[in-house]
Amino acid sequence: QVQLVESGGGVVQPGRSLRLSCAASGFTFSSYGMYWVRQAPGRGLESVAFISKDAGIKYHADSVKGRFSISRDNSKHTLYLQMNSLRDEDTAVYSCAREVSGSGTLYFFDLWGLGTLVTVSS
Amino acid sequence: DIQLTQSPSFLSASVGDRVTITCRASQGISSYLAWYQQKPGIAPKVLIYAASTLQSGVPSRFSGSGSGTEYTLTISSLQPEDFATYFCQQLNSFPITFGQGTRLDIK
Repeated sequence: QVQLVESGGGVVQPGRSLRLSCAASGFTFSSYGMYWVRQAPGRGLESVAFISKDAGIKYHADSVKGRFSISRDNSKHTLYLQMNSLRDEDTAVYSCAREVSGSGTLYFFDLWGLGTLVTVSS
Repeated sequence: DIQLTQSPSFLSASVGDRVTITCRASQGISSYLAWYQQKPGIAPKVLIYAASTLQSGVPSRFSGSGSGTEYTLTISSLQPEDFATYFCQQLNSFPITFGQGTRLDIK
């Protein structure tokens, strides 16, 4: 079954760390660029980080740069998001997503996980 | 960052109605725009990509158009299963950004 399943969310105090995982199954994980996307309560979607299929290219949104780090282990078919120095405003549902691209053009996300909730609160 | 302004935020319509949702970008995005449908507890589903290309398996009552900074999603004749939230996404440049969403409810 082709799917993405996130884990690792929970309640954490401001300033602490958390690592999210996204387990991929049913497809060749190493062939796809991957994203972390989040949605805070009552707000729209925000792309947080991107990693290319070979991990050679990484992108982090300004809002998380220097605090969050995206990585992947293609041998384990797993995507990660290491979140440090968490803030109240990082509270959101975090989802991973797979991109569809070709010839250097990014077209859309064709596979999304259902997300894991991160709550930053003292 | 490219801002996407989606309108309306909320839309009430009846089965059989024709509805249009607009997504306006803060700068040109060269038609690198996708539309998604999302229902509660279910992952988003892409409907349209490259502004006007219908994703395989999506009913032909869905269509997309536009260029430059203004894009539209049209549902020609609403069906009961179409009542959901719709959002746009620009893929022209990092960071990839999304519209705020349009919630489509039954009148």
